[in-house]
Amino acid sequence: DTGVSQDPRHKITKRGQNVTFRCDPISEHNRLYWYRQTLGQGPEFLTYFQNEAQLEKSRLLSDRFSAERPKGSFSTLEIQRTEQGDSAMYLCASSLAQGLNTEAFFGQGTRLTVV
Amino acid sequence: LAKTTQPISMDSYEGQEVNITCSHNNIATNDYITWYQQFPSQGPRFIIQGYKTKVTNEVASLFIPADRKSSTLSLPRVSLSDTAVYYCLVANDYKLSFGAGTTVTVRA
Repeated sequence: DTGVSQDPRHKITKRGQNVTFRCDPISEHNRLYWYRQTLGQGPEFLTYFQNEAQLEKSRLLSDRFSAERPKGSFSTLEIQRTEQGDSAMYLCASSLAQGLNTEAFFGQGTRLTVV
Repeated sequence: LAKTTQPISMDSYEGQEVNITCSHNNIATNDYITWYQQFPSQGPRFIIQGYKTKVTNEVASLFIPADRKSSTLSLPRVSLSDTAVYYCLVANDYKLSFGAGTTVTVRA
């Protein structure tokens, strides 16, 4: 399967713990995005990388959220000191930077439950 | 980012054509109109994208009038497996803004 891969698919954690999610994009894609989705809502944009550069992070929900893409390939999203309100599906997507292309390929997401 | 408005839900039957209209009154000159489909517990999947007039692919058609203030996604001859949430987006770059989408339910 050469699509976007996310790991883990499910994560249950206790409030206050740190969690890290991994995303492996489609290999030739230079853009990588993170979204968050809560029940009944559409995905909410969090942050964006072009290669290894994080070009947009203003939408990260608080300073407890951080993302990296160290070598321009896979990316990680970390949430520190998790809260119950962080429970959601975290989606990763990738695309090729081609003009006004808005076709992004999404992974199946990581479902986080904070108890 | 231009705001979009689409119906919350639509019901249909197998074999029928489903048309979902999306309003985007504040669309900018360089914005494209893109539709995504999402099944439960999966990430959204790109369906179709257009700028003006009509675009057709193997899955759907997209109709965009001359003023571009609305667009209609047409799904021909739907099946049970087309039951999903459909999102209309207006964007010209990476920052895709999803609304709540339209839940389409196809019944036998």
